[in-house]
Amino acid sequence: AQRVTQPEKLLSVFKGAPVELKCNYSYSGSPELFWYVQYSRQRLQLLLRHISRESIKGFTADLNKGETSFHLKKPFAQEEDSAMYYCALKDSGNTPLVFGKGTRLSVIA
Amino acid sequence: SAVISQKPSRDICQRGTSLTIQCQVDSQVTMMFWYRQQPGQSLTLIATANQGSEATYESGFVIDKFPISRPNLTFSTLTVSNMSPEDSSIYLCSVQQGKGYTFGSGTRLTVV
Repeated sequence: AQRVTQPEKLLSVFKGAPVELKCNYSYSGSPELFWYVQYSRQRLQLLLRHISRESIKGFTADLNKGETSFHLKKPFAQEEDSAMYYCALKDSGNTPLVFGKGTRLSVIA
Repeated sequence: SAVISQKPSRDICQRGTSLTIQCQVDSQVTMMFWYRQQPGQSLTLIATANQGSEATYESGFVIDKFPISRPNLTFSTLTVSNMSPEDSSIYLCSVQQGKGYTFGSGTRLTVV
């Protein structure tokens, strides 16, 4: 069965410090992995996906199939990065996303 | 990417009543997904709605409690029936477009 694990419920870092939000998954095939972000009072929005290998707002994430991980990283945290972050996985085709429990990132000035 | 209009944004309902949530998409999509986000929890898939056929429900969710309509490729409704306080949650719809997913703004339901 598909499963996404985000071990940290809350992560607090100081402004300018590096950030790593952990995500591990359980899936027998070749999944697609995503990171979604939800800022206060806003809807859930896509941050990045592993297929595009892009950097959005300074965040990157590399899919490590050996460790079944897709950790989200940013070298220097900003206050505006404070939000709820969800790691998600999908199967191929028109299938829904499976979400992790989310990690609340708090960046302290 | 698709734009989803979801309403109502919030409601406070009496136990035993029903609430219908609507999602309108600005483009045609094959699948629409309905999620529930209980307080402090992640998003849990309720069902997948495909136009022209009955919705497919996940384990723990049944059609009698959460009937779904999908009359066309741009619209869907989710009804929360015979509500109890345990149904207090945020309900969201989502569509897949291309390689990404778009979410509605959510309906915050409080059952008293």
